[in-house]
Amino acid sequence: DQQVKQNSPSLSVQEGRISILNCDYTNSMFDYFLWYKKYPAEGPTFLISISSIKDKNEDGRFTVFLNKSAKHLSLHIVPSQPGDSAVYFCAAIPAGSNYKLTFGKGTLLTVNP
Amino acid sequence: DVKVTQSSRYLVKRTGEKVFLECVQDMDHENMFWYRQDPGLGLRLIYFSYDVKMKEKGDIPEGYSVSREKKERFSLILESASTNQTSMYLCASSSIEGPFPYNEQFFGPGTRLTVL
Repeated sequence: DQQVKQNSPSLSVQEGRISILNCDYTNSMFDYFLWYKKYPAEGPTFLISISSIKDKNEDGRFTVFLNKSAKHLSLHIVPSQPGDSAVYFCAAIPAGSNYKLTFGKGTLLTVNP
Repeated sequence: DVKVTQSSRYLVKRTGEKVFLECVQDMDHENMFWYRQDPGLGLRLIYFSYDVKMKEKGDIPEGYSVSREKKERFSLILESASTNQTSMYLCASSSIEGPFPYNEQFFGPGTRLTVL
């Protein structure tokens, strides 16, 4: 059973437009959520996170929104740049743990010049 | 800068061989992890170590073992490699200090293992 779901395997957007990557979760014990970014031939790197006590966290061009009642989060990238082209993984941590990440399958974002 | 290095970027082994994947981190992190990444499945935790000689099973430990004799080094062992262990293997490390509830995990570049 998949506890963190990224239902879109891929997304293609034009440079300068908004990219919206979605993530759903089923485990109500999750209380901290993260996005990781992965380029080919490199390990994932941490991008942005959000605690379950918040509904929005912003860092430059990246904003993560959390809707706890819907068990849904999204990552917005505005404006999108070609260098943002990568696989984005959504991950979640259960309450009481600070290491046990559960990852989604990932979404490949392609930003076209 | 945190650096996590993995001994090989690409590895080809035969079914039944014993395989060692090595990971070294240079930031004196207490926690180290082994994941595998497969298309359509994301990253899945194989084993976790929170101290020297200490380990915990992750979500998919079957067919794997680990060794942590020194703080900076965490090895993943495939006792008898099988074709279904063909995958990208990623090592990560994190400190126990820092902001709770999340101590960022720093990943190595990965080892692409092919078992023939």
